[in-house]
Amino acid sequence: DAKTTQPPSMDCAEGRAANLPCNHSTISGNEYVYWYRQIHSQGPQYIIHGLKNNETNEMASLIITEDRKSSTLILPHATLRDTAVYYCIVRVGSGYALNFGKGTSLLVTP
Amino acid sequence: DAGVIQSPRHEVTEMGQEVTLRCKPISGHNSLFWYRQTMMRGLELLIYFNNNVPIDDSGMPEDRFSAKMPNASFSTLKIQPSEPRDSAVYFCASTLDRSRTDTQYFGPGTRLTVL
Repeated sequence: DAKTTQPPSMDCAEGRAANLPCNHSTISGNEYVYWYRQIHSQGPQYIIHGLKNNETNEMASLIITEDRKSSTLILPHATLRDTAVYYCIVRVGSGYALNFGKGTSLLVTP
Repeated sequence: DAGVIQSPRHEVTEMGQEVTLRCKPISGHNSLFWYRQTMMRGLELLIYFNNNVPIDDSGMPEDRFSAKMPNASFSTLKIQPSEPRDSAVYFCASTLDRSRTDTQYFGPGTRLTVL
């Protein structure tokens, strides 16, 4: 699976959009981009995934660049409960393992 | 839906003792995963079951660790004998393995402390 690079930490004001970047320059054509998050003392939680097209669900939006070498997870209106570690994971569709890196620690402040 | 259920939530034991962690996957899911999380190594996959059969156990640290899935609704991870370096949070996750892009749903974890 392709390696991902994320900033170790980010801050965001409550109510503002949180934009979390992920670099996956070695991604191959059959690899999906997944985002999970882990709130303190809880298990990881699935957020969203995509292959080529931008995706949106009730939690977030995923923007994937045309060359697929990077992506951005957008939380449109961050709340204090969105404070968590966010993991960007690249995985082949036929694979099963989720290789969690160090992720980005997002702090949402009042 | 109750989600993935793990027990116990916390376990404190002494070095050399046997420890058994339990997991009940989401009903209808056919794949189950055991992960371990430590500060040093982050989240790492230990073993993966599909239709109750172990498919990949390459992440199991050593022979002291064993995992079973006797039926679709129950799995155990056993450590015997336990050592202080086994202290970690152990997560169980399940998924319905249709297209392999299905998401994994994680349980709340078991925090294990080996003294």
